[in-house]
Amino acid sequence: GENVEQHPSTLSVQEGDSAVIKCTYSDSASNYFPWYKQELGKRPQLIIDIRSNVGEKKDQRIAVTLNKTAKHFSLHITETQPEDSAVYFCAVSGGYQKVTFGTGTKLQVIP
Amino acid sequence: DSGVTQTPKHLITATGQRVTLRCSPRSGDLSVYWYQQSLDQGLQFLIQYYNGEERAKGNILERFSAQQFPDLHSELNLSSLELGDSALYFCASSVGASENYEQYFGPGTRLTVT
Repeated sequence: GENVEQHPSTLSVQEGDSAVIKCTYSDSASNYFPWYKQELGKRPQLIIDIRSNVGEKKDQRIAVTLNKTAKHFSLHITETQPEDSAVYFCAVSGGYQKVTFGTGTKLQVIP
Repeated sequence: DSGVTQTPKHLITATGQRVTLRCSPRSGDLSVYWYQQSLDQGLQFLIQYYNGEERAKGNILERFSAQQFPDLHSELNLSSLELGDSALYFCASSVGASENYEQYFGPGTRLTVT
Protein backbone atom coordinates (compact mmCIF):
# COMPACT_ATOMS: atom_id res chain seq x y z
CA GLY A 1 0.00 0.00 0.00
CA GLU A 2 0.87 3.67 -0.03
CA ASN A 3 3.48 4.94 2.40
CA VAL A 4 3.47 8.67 3.17
CA GLU A 5 6.21 10.27 5.24
CA GLN A 6 5.90 13.82 6.50
CA HIS A 7 8.71 15.98 7.90
CA PRO A 8 9.31 17.68 10.19
CA SER A 9 6.98 16.54 12.95
CA THR A 10 7.32 19.90 14.71
CA LEU A 11 8.38 23.27 13.38
CA SER A 12 8.86 26.59 15.17
CA VAL A 13 9.35 29.78 13.19
CA GLN A 14 9.42 33.47 14.00
CA GLU A 15 6.48 35.50 12.82
CA GLY A 16 7.18 36.74 9.31
CA ASP A 17 9.52 33.89 8.42
CA SER A 18 8.71 31.09 5.98
CA ALA A 19 7.76 27.52 6.85
CA VAL A 20 8.26 24.47 4.65
CA ILE A 21 6.78 21.03 5.23
CA LYS A 22 7.65 18.08 3.02
CA CYS A 23 5.93 14.81 2.24
CA THR A 24 7.18 11.82 0.31
CA TYR A 25 5.05 8.99 -1.05
CA SER A 26 5.66 5.60 -2.59
CA ASP A 27 2.89 4.88 -5.10
CA SER A 28 3.72 6.41 -8.47
CA ALA A 29 0.05 6.09 -9.50
CA SER A 30 -1.01 8.66 -6.89
CA ASN A 31 -2.40 11.77 -8.53
CA TYR A 32 -4.04 14.02 -5.93
CA PHE A 33 -2.16 15.75 -3.12
CA PRO A 34 -4.16 17.90 -0.69
CA TRP A 35 -2.94 19.70 2.42
CA TYR A 36 -5.14 20.08 5.49
CA LYS A 37 -4.83 22.41 8.47
CA GLN A 38 -6.16 21.30 11.83
CA GLU A 39 -6.38 23.77 14.69
CA LEU A 40 -6.48 22.45 18.21
CA GLY A 41 -9.74 20.65 18.89
CA LYS A 42 -11.16 21.43 15.47
CA ARG A 43 -11.79 19.64 12.22
CA PRO A 44 -9.21 19.35 9.42
CA GLN A 45 -9.77 21.89 6.67
CA LEU A 46 -8.38 21.83 3.15
CA ILE A 47 -6.01 24.74 2.54
CA ILE A 48 -4.55 23.87 -0.85
CA ASP A 49 -4.32 20.90 -3.19
CA ILE A 50 -2.43 19.94 -6.31
CA ARG A 51 -2.94 17.36 -9.00
CA SER A 52 -0.29 15.36 -10.77
CA ASN A 53 -0.45 17.33 -14.01
CA VAL A 54 0.67 20.51 -12.23
CA GLY A 55 4.08 21.26 -10.70
CA GLU A 56 3.20 24.22 -8.51
CA LYS A 57 0.14 26.00 -7.19
CA LYS A 58 -0.09 29.19 -5.17
CA ASP A 59 -2.83 30.80 -3.12
CA GLN A 60 -1.76 34.05 -1.46
CA ARG A 61 0.82 33.12 1.22
CA ILE A 62 0.50 29.38 0.65
CA ALA A 63 2.08 27.35 -2.15
CA VAL A 64 2.50 23.68 -2.91
CA THR A 65 5.14 22.16 -5.17
CA LEU A 66 5.09 18.65 -6.57
CA ASN A 67 7.98 16.59 -7.91
CA LYS A 68 6.43 13.45 -9.41
CA THR A 69 9.78 11.97 -10.42
CA ALA A 70 11.12 12.14 -6.89
CA LYS A 71 7.67 11.43 -5.40
CA HIS A 72 7.62 14.34 -3.00
CA PHE A 73 5.57 17.46 -2.51
CA SER A 74 5.96 20.40 -0.18
CA LEU A 75 3.86 23.04 1.50
CA HIS A 76 5.34 26.53 1.67
CA ILE A 77 3.90 29.22 3.93
CA THR A 78 5.43 32.68 3.59
CA GLU A 79 5.16 35.65 5.96
CA THR A 80 3.88 33.40 8.72
CA GLN A 81 1.41 34.77 11.23
CA PRO A 82 0.42 33.48 14.71
CA GLU A 83 -2.90 32.26 13.29
CA ASP A 84 -0.94 29.87 11.06
CA SER A 85 -0.09 27.87 14.20
CA ALA A 86 -1.79 24.47 13.80
CA VAL A 87 -1.12 20.90 12.75
CA TYR A 88 -0.74 20.44 9.01
CA PHE A 89 -1.40 17.13 7.29
CA CYS A 90 -0.50 16.13 3.77
CA ALA A 91 -2.52 13.46 2.01
CA VAL A 92 -2.07 11.30 -1.05
CA SER A 93 -4.74 9.59 -3.10
CA GLY A 94 -5.52 8.12 -6.49
CA GLY A 95 -3.20 5.16 -6.39
CA TYR A 96 -3.53 1.70 -4.89
CA GLN A 97 -4.48 2.97 -1.46
CA LYS A 98 -7.52 5.20 -1.68
CA VAL A 99 -6.34 7.98 0.61
CA THR A 100 -3.40 8.12 2.98
CA PHE A 101 -2.56 10.96 5.34
CA GLY A 102 0.87 11.95 6.59
CA THR A 103 1.56 11.92 10.32
CA GLY A 104 1.23 15.68 10.69
CA THR A 105 3.48 18.67 11.38
CA LYS A 106 2.84 20.85 14.39
CA LEU A 107 3.69 24.42 13.33
CA GLN A 108 4.25 27.06 15.97
CA VAL A 109 4.61 30.66 14.87
CA ILE A 110 6.30 32.72 17.57
CA PRO A 111 5.16 36.36 17.71
CA ASP B 1 -19.00 25.39 9.43
CA SER B 2 -18.41 22.74 6.76
CA GLY B 3 -22.05 21.66 6.49
CA VAL B 4 -21.18 18.15 7.73
CA THR B 5 -22.79 17.21 11.02
CA GLN B 6 -21.82 14.46 13.44
CA THR B 7 -23.53 13.17 16.54
CA PRO B 8 -22.88 12.72 19.34
CA LYS B 9 -20.07 15.16 20.08
CA HIS B 10 -18.76 13.11 22.99
CA LEU B 11 -19.31 9.51 23.98
CA ILE B 12 -18.04 7.70 27.05
CA THR B 13 -18.57 3.99 27.29
CA ALA B 14 -17.08 0.85 28.80
CA THR B 15 -14.98 -1.88 27.26
CA GLY B 16 -16.98 -4.56 25.51
CA GLN B 17 -19.82 -2.21 24.64
CA ARG B 18 -21.16 -1.18 21.24
CA VAL B 19 -21.74 2.36 19.99
CA THR B 20 -23.07 4.02 16.87
CA LEU B 21 -21.71 7.26 15.46
CA ARG B 22 -23.79 9.24 13.03
CA CYS B 23 -22.84 11.55 10.17
CA SER B 24 -24.88 13.71 7.82
CA PRO B 25 -23.00 14.91 4.73
CA ARG B 26 -23.19 18.33 3.11
CA SER B 27 -26.21 18.87 0.95
CA GLY B 28 -25.48 17.45 -2.51
CA ASP B 29 -22.49 15.34 -1.45
CA LEU B 30 -22.79 11.65 -2.24
CA SER B 31 -19.59 10.34 -0.66
CA VAL B 32 -18.99 9.84 3.02
CA TYR B 33 -15.61 8.93 4.50
CA TRP B 34 -14.85 7.80 8.05
CA TYR B 35 -11.53 8.47 9.77
CA GLN B 36 -10.03 7.63 13.16
CA GLN B 37 -7.63 10.06 14.85
CA SER B 38 -5.93 8.78 17.99
CA LEU B 39 -4.13 11.07 20.41
CA ASP B 40 -1.16 12.74 18.72
CA GLN B 41 -1.71 10.62 15.64
CA GLY B 42 -2.60 11.29 12.09
CA LEU B 43 -5.83 10.49 10.35
CA GLN B 44 -6.45 6.84 9.60
CA PHE B 45 -8.86 6.23 6.74
CA LEU B 46 -11.45 3.63 7.70
CA ILE B 47 -14.06 3.37 4.96
CA GLN B 48 -15.83 5.27 2.18
CA TYR B 49 -19.41 5.05 0.96
CA TYR B 50 -20.74 6.52 -2.25
CA ASN B 51 -24.47 6.85 -2.86
CA GLY B 52 -25.29 4.01 -0.50
CA GLU B 53 -22.60 1.58 -1.63
CA GLU B 54 -19.27 0.76 -0.04
CA ARG B 55 -16.60 2.29 -2.26
CA ALA B 56 -13.29 1.78 -0.51
CA LYS B 57 -11.94 0.21 2.62
CA GLY B 58 -8.96 1.31 4.64
CA ASN B 59 -7.67 0.17 8.00
CA ILE B 60 -11.04 -0.74 9.41
CA LEU B 61 -11.19 -3.44 12.07
CA GLU B 62 -13.61 -6.34 11.72
CA ARG B 63 -15.30 -5.14 14.93
CA PHE B 64 -16.24 -1.94 13.10
CA SER B 65 -18.87 -1.63 10.40
CA ALA B 66 -20.58 1.18 8.58
CA GLN B 67 -23.44 1.87 6.25
CA GLN B 68 -24.90 4.72 4.25
CA PHE B 69 -28.66 5.09 4.12
CA PRO B 70 -30.93 6.21 1.23
CA ASP B 71 -31.00 9.75 2.66
CA LEU B 72 -27.16 9.63 2.46
CA HIS B 73 -26.49 9.88 6.17
CA SER B 74 -24.01 7.33 7.44
CA GLU B 75 -23.46 5.41 10.64
CA LEU B 76 -20.28 3.87 11.98
CA ASN B 77 -20.83 0.99 14.38
CA LEU B 78 -18.07 0.06 16.80
CA SER B 79 -18.51 -3.14 18.80
CA SER B 80 -16.61 -5.09 21.47
CA LEU B 81 -14.92 -1.83 22.33
CA GLU B 82 -11.36 -1.82 23.65
CA LEU B 83 -9.41 0.89 25.44
CA GLY B 84 -7.39 1.43 22.28
CA ASP B 85 -10.51 2.43 20.38
CA SER B 86 -10.58 5.73 22.29
CA ALA B 87 -10.09 8.36 19.63
CA LEU B 88 -11.64 11.18 17.67
CA TYR B 89 -13.76 9.87 14.83
CA PHE B 90 -14.31 12.17 11.88
CA CYS B 91 -16.54 11.80 8.94
CA ALA B 92 -16.02 13.77 5.78
CA SER B 93 -18.10 14.21 2.66
CA SER B 94 -17.35 15.05 -0.94
CA VAL B 95 -19.39 15.48 -4.05
CA GLY B 96 -17.98 12.66 -6.16
CA ALA B 97 -17.06 9.01 -5.94
CA SER B 98 -13.37 9.59 -6.50
CA GLU B 99 -11.18 10.43 -3.55
CA ASN B 100 -9.73 13.21 -5.68
CA TYR B 101 -12.37 15.71 -4.62
CA GLU B 102 -12.06 18.09 -1.70
CA GLN B 103 -13.31 16.48 1.48
CA TYR B 104 -15.29 18.49 4.02
CA PHE B 105 -14.86 17.26 7.57
CA GLY B 106 -17.43 17.18 10.31
CA PRO B 107 -16.63 18.35 13.87
CA GLY B 108 -15.86 14.81 15.03
CA THR B 109 -17.09 12.49 17.76
CA ARG B 110 -14.75 12.00 20.70
CA LEU B 111 -15.05 8.43 21.95
CA THR B 112 -13.65 7.50 25.33
CA VAL B 113 -13.61 3.84 26.30
CA THR B 114 -13.06 3.20 30.02
